[in-house]
Amino acid sequence: DGGITQSPKYLFRKEGQNVTLSCEQNLNHDAMYWYRQDPGQGLRLIYYSQIVNDFQKGDIAEGYSVSREKKESFPLTVTSAQKNPTAFYLCASSAGYNQPQHFGDGTRLSIL
Amino acid sequence: RKEVEQDPGPFNVPEGATVAFNCTYSNSASQSFFWYRQDCRKEPKLLMSVYSSGNEDGRFTAQLNRASQYISLLIRDSKLSDSATYLCVVNTYTGNQFYFGTGTSLTVIP
Repeated sequence: DGGITQSPKYLFRKEGQNVTLSCEQNLNHDAMYWYRQDPGQGLRLIYYSQIVNDFQKGDIAEGYSVSREKKESFPLTVTSAQKNPTAFYLCASSAGYNQPQHFGDGTRLSIL
Repeated sequence: RKEVEQDPGPFNVPEGATVAFNCTYSNSASQSFFWYRQDCRKEPKLLMSVYSSGNEDGRFTAQLNRASQYISLLIRDSKLSDSATYLCVVNTYTGNQFYFGTGTSLTVIP
């Protein structure tokens, strides 16, 4: 069954800690994206990648880092520099131009 | 100016009603348009793509007006299960980025 898998579903971060959110897709999509959604707000782009070994900053990249070593994987690290990390994080992929995005079911990150 | 703007609502309509949402976009070079549905505390799910000639999927009709730079979604015969937030999404070829509206909240009342 093709799709996007995000893990974990819930994550708690301690002060000063880096945490990594996993995103894996078996749709053979080239493009992958990370978004953050705060309560009652729209989606904001953190990072995106159009191809393996390449990625670009989105609108709110500060305090986050990514890697794209494999086509199917696009992990997001929330670093200690991100002072307000509590949010709903969504990973998406797209087959290419003119094609819609498909989303994983998200990770909820909270601060302990 | 935001790339995509939507009326946040909320829209509260009775079952069986027809409801329409509009969305405007600022970049005239935008190429692809979509409507997504997002349930509370869930991920967005693709409802339908929007084509230049307009398109229909059951009770849902989407239309695009490039000259005025807006897209619309019409829901006929509203069901309780249509209650959700509807997101307007625009894609530009530049960087293959997607721009999301903040969503329009719909509640269908029995």
